[in-house]
Amino acid sequence: QVQLQESGPGLVKPSETLSLTCVVSGYSISGGYYWGWIRQPPGKGLEWIGSIYHTGSTYYNSSLKSRVTISVDTSKNQFSLKLSSVTAADTAVYYCARPQYDSSDPGDAFDIWGQGTLVTVSS
Amino acid sequence: QSVLTQPPSVSAAPGQKVTISCSGSSSNIGNNYVFWYQHLPGTAPKLLIYDNNKRPSGIPDRFSGSKSGTSATLGITGLQTGDEADYYCGTWDSSLSAVLFGGGTKLTVL
Repeated sequence: QVQLQESGPGLVKPSETLSLTCVVSGYSISGGYYWGWIRQPPGKGLEWIGSIYHTGSTYYNSSLKSRVTISVDTSKNQFSLKLSSVTAADTAVYYCARPQYDSSDPGDAFDIWGQGTLVTVSS
Repeated sequence: QSVLTQPPSVSAAPGQKVTISCSGSSSNIGNNYVFWYQHLPGTAPKLLIYDNNKRPSGIPDRFSGSKSGTSATLGITGLQTGDEADYYCGTWDSSLSAVLFGGGTKLTVL
């Protein structure tokens, strides 16, 4: 059974960098898939942040692209999110997810999600 | 404001049917598969529909999806109180090279 688990600080100061990791169990991340990060600010809808292929190929939301880096560590079977220069607007529940298909298509639906982790940006 | 447009809310009585629309453009819905999620507070989104109209295993056939041109629709029949949730459409946008989500629709089962 494939499981994803987000981890990282729940509180980040404004202007600092938010860093989260998604540990994958039950599947080797080297096997494929475009692994994704999605967030939901309080009271708002889902927002896709970006996705990374096991080879390191990435796609990012253009509204966040200048501040986002997604990387993959196949040796630890995990992938990570870094969001720099955060503000209160980056306060959200952050999810990592795996799409349905093991393909080179970054647009496949996500069918396996982590439980989500709340990150609050505040001094 | 989302590129994909959904109604903010819909409501219907238990046992009735409801539809949720999702409107986009040729660069997204018009030329890519649409998917739908159900999102309950405090839980991870659940995939209800993928590839426009397919249901993952375990999703009851009360849930259905369709697409026509640059719009998609989620249908839910035999409404239950447990269906109260937020519903999101999504797709890939070929021009933006990005995954898009609709703004979400809150379903109330009266």
